[in-house]
Amino acid sequence: GQNIDQPTEMTATEGAIVQINCTYQTSGFNGLFWYQQHAGEAPTFLSYNVLDGLEEKGRFSSFLSRSKGYSYLLLKELQMKDSASYLCAPLDSNYQLIWGAGTKLIIKP
Amino acid sequence: DGGITQSPKYLFRKEGQNVTLSCEQNLNHDAMYWYRQDPGQGLRLIYYSQIVNDFQKGDIAEGYSVSREKKESFPLTVTSAQKNPTAFYLCASSGLAHTGELFFGEGSRLTVL
Repeated sequence: GQNIDQPTEMTATEGAIVQINCTYQTSGFNGLFWYQQHAGEAPTFLSYNVLDGLEEKGRFSSFLSRSKGYSYLLLKELQMKDSASYLCAPLDSNYQLIWGAGTKLIIKP
Repeated sequence: DGGITQSPKYLFRKEGQNVTLSCEQNLNHDAMYWYRQDPGQGLRLIYYSQIVNDFQKGDIAEGYSVSREKKESFPLTVTSAQKNPTAFYLCASSGLAHTGELFFGEGSRLTVL
């Protein structure tokens, strides 16, 4: 079956760095996508990885290891506005996203 | 401004009633999707459409219906056959085939009384 595993909730301090991990098992693989979702709002696309390695995009970076079925999202210089849920979603063999339940990130001053 | 518009944002319905959620996009995207989000769960795909006049069932299509008569529009009907319709419904579109980069509308929150 298909399964996505990410922590339910994490807490971090403003200005710090946080890493949100995601492990996945899917029927085929065509990339892994990260989305940010503020409470009560729609998800917005953050980043994606197709090949192994690190993709950097400003304060956000995403890493992928296809052999381990593992990805992480790294957020640097945390700001209060980063308080949100972060959704990990691999793209399966049918090019459909398989969504994790998300990690709720709480930023404290 | 280009984007996806969902309406209504909040909707209350009595049991046994059908309700239609609107989704309109002016991004000129071919593919459109409907997802359902429940607390503590990942988004689940209801229906998707890659092209006008064609659509496919997702993982949880039972109790829902869609149409795609125009490129811009992909309305979702929640029928009385849907056993647990109270949820947050999200419409999305994508401009590229075989991509996971989706653009979402603001969502419609349906509550069945």
